[in-house]
Amino acid sequence: QVQLVESGGGVVQPGRSLRLSCAASGFTFSSYAMHWVRQAPGKGLEWVAVMFHDGSNEEYADSVKGRFTISRDNSKNTLYLQMNSLRGEDTAVYYCARTGKDIAVVPAGVFYYYYMDVWGKGTTVIVSS
Amino acid sequence: DIQMTQSPSFLSASVGDRVTITCRASQSIGSYLNWYQQYPGKTPKLLIFGASTLQGGVPSRFSGSGSGTHFTLTISSLQPEDFATYYCQQSDTTLRLTFGPGTKVEIK
Repeated sequence: QVQLVESGGGVVQPGRSLRLSCAASGFTFSSYAMHWVRQAPGKGLEWVAVMFHDGSNEEYADSVKGRFTISRDNSKNTLYLQMNSLRGEDTAVYYCARTGKDIAVVPAGVFYYYYMDVWGKGTTVIVSS
Repeated sequence: DIQMTQSPSFLSASVGDRVTITCRASQSIGSYLNWYQQYPGKTPKLLIFGASTLQGGVPSRFSGSGSGTHFTLTISSLQPEDFATYYCQQSDTTLRLTFGPGTKVEIK
């Protein structure tokens, strides 16, 4: 079945680094853009980063830009998040999510609708001294 | 960046009630709006994409409407399993799929 499994979370001191992984199965990983989303304790969902299906483009939330790097290995069906210079506010459950897409062809043109249709169960990162 | 707001942030309702949650975008996003449901400690679940299209398997008591900057999620008759937190998400900026702050629906 379609599945995403995150790993790599843990307790880390401020300023240190951590790398998260997301193993995909049950679908053609190389055909999908993939996201990282996080949720701090008791807080809402925060989009973190996205990488295009072929690794050709990536984007980041302002809160992590310059500190986090998203990458993927399509030969291993795995998505990564390298997190450097970690801060207390990075403490959260980190989810990876698949980008679903729907296409609407109407007289006005072609419209692409993107959403997150498959999620992992998440991995917890705690930044604390 | 496009900012998303939701109202109310907290809602208390009874089984059988009609519930409406509002989501607003800081600029026009057409119909590029998704809705998710999340239970405590669980993974979010996609309910609606394209402002009004129900994801497969989602009960028909859920509906979405709106375009531009103003959107609503309506639950026509609240069921016990609907008590959860609901998030809107804009998908106008290609793959920068940012979320609203969430609306928690609790039992009155």
